[in-house]
Amino acid sequence: SQTIHQWPATLVQPVGSPLSLECTVEGTSNPNLYWYRQAAGRGLQLLFYSVGIGQISSEVPQNLSASRPQDRQFILSSKKLLLSDSGFYLCAWSGLSGTGGTYEQYFGPGTRLTVT
Amino acid sequence: DAKTTQPPSMDCAEGRAANLPCNHSTISGNEYVYWYRQIHSQGPQYIIHGLKNNETNEMASLIITEDRKSSTLILPHATLRDTAVYYCIVRVASWAGGFKTIFGAGTRLFVKA
Repeated sequence: SQTIHQWPATLVQPVGSPLSLECTVEGTSNPNLYWYRQAAGRGLQLLFYSVGIGQISSEVPQNLSASRPQDRQFILSSKKLLLSDSGFYLCAWSGLSGTGGTYEQYFGPGTRLTVT
Repeated sequence: DAKTTQPPSMDCAEGRAANLPCNHSTISGNEYVYWYRQIHSQGPQYIIHGLKNNETNEMASLIITEDRKSSTLILPHATLRDTAVYYCIVRVASWAGGFKTIFGAGTRLFVKA
């Protein structure tokens, strides 16, 4: 079966510091990968998605970037964090379903980032 | 992807059926209806999806109207652990259709003892 891992689970970082969040997927190949952010009490905001190694699409212009160095690894980065970067960061994957060819998404446990 | 409209919140008594409505009047013929839920402090969880036929799995049932302009997610015997935000999403489900799933505000379901 497929599993998705994210780390760290929680993170407290000062303003201006760098960020690196990692997501890995097991048990599938060629997944579509996604990064979402959820501010406190708000909905999910799609940040980036990737359909293959080195292929990144950005949904929202900001000081974050994403990379996909390996098929099942997705990294979210920032050179300098802002207070507004605080939130719950979620990684997700989707792939060709065995039941009908649809692309439902499966989410990781998330990283709660607090920028101080 | 078509827009969806859901009530912001609903209550349900424990053990009773929870019926969560979703309107998607601009749905296209090749768009599926997906449901996810998000329990507090966790990532969203896929529940069910359908195109035009009613669907049932171990978690829930999905009823889609004949004109496909609305649907209802049914949790047959709600428990306290079903308290969550439920998202109804309409999107094309194909490689060529794109890969983005846009989550709206959803419906916050409170299951009460």
